[in-house]
Amino acid sequence: EPEVTQTPSHQVTQMGQEVILRCVPISNHLYFYWYRQILGQKVEFLVSFYNNEISEKSEIFDDQFSVERPDGSNFTLKIRSTKLEDSAMYFCATGTSARTDTQYFGPGTRLTVL
Amino acid sequence: KQEVTQIPAALSVPEGENLVLNCSFTDSAIYNLQWFRQDPGKGLTSLLLIQSSQREQTSGRLNASLDKSSGRSTLYIAASQPGDSATYLCAGGGSSNTGKLIFGQGTTLQVKP
Repeated sequence: EPEVTQTPSHQVTQMGQEVILRCVPISNHLYFYWYRQILGQKVEFLVSFYNNEISEKSEIFDDQFSVERPDGSNFTLKIRSTKLEDSAMYFCATGTSARTDTQYFGPGTRLTVL
Repeated sequence: KQEVTQIPAALSVPEGENLVLNCSFTDSAIYNLQWFRQDPGKGLTSLLLIQSSQREQTSGRLNASLDKSSGRSTLYIAASQPGDSATYLCAGGGSSNTGKLIFGQGTTLQVKP
């Protein structure tokens, strides 16, 4: 069964450094999302991406964050200058439709900012 | 603004018991409601998706219902097993057409052998 994959599984970085989290969506999916979950808290929406552009972003998704599909297969989340409060599990999710299909989540990348 | 709440936060039951997990949401313009399972340190696994035009969905021992007028959804688990132990999350699709999901805080279920 096709699945969403994410790399790396765990990333440790120093505050102020740039990180790129990578996701490989299921091949026929057109809708892409990033969510994050701070330890012990709710899963929070960050951004949705369709047709090579951001369709919606949350208040969390400020100028330090960006997303792209650099080669038509990978879907990446970049954090330009990491803060301690960016430490969280980051989940990529993909789907075939924005409203009528479930979202398929990857296993997550645990980001630790020191 | 859509808000999703789940009660209880934790639940412990003996094996074989039937149980109900509750989810409430504030925006009745929800276009779907999804239930996920999350195992410790893992990603989210989709269990059931209920469209706004539907009242319930079933998969095996799981049955999810949706009542938009009261802003509630329930997940019914029949004949619980120790392997059902996990955190169960409900998520509402808001009124936007972007697919954004708003999650509840989850119910952590422990099924004792």
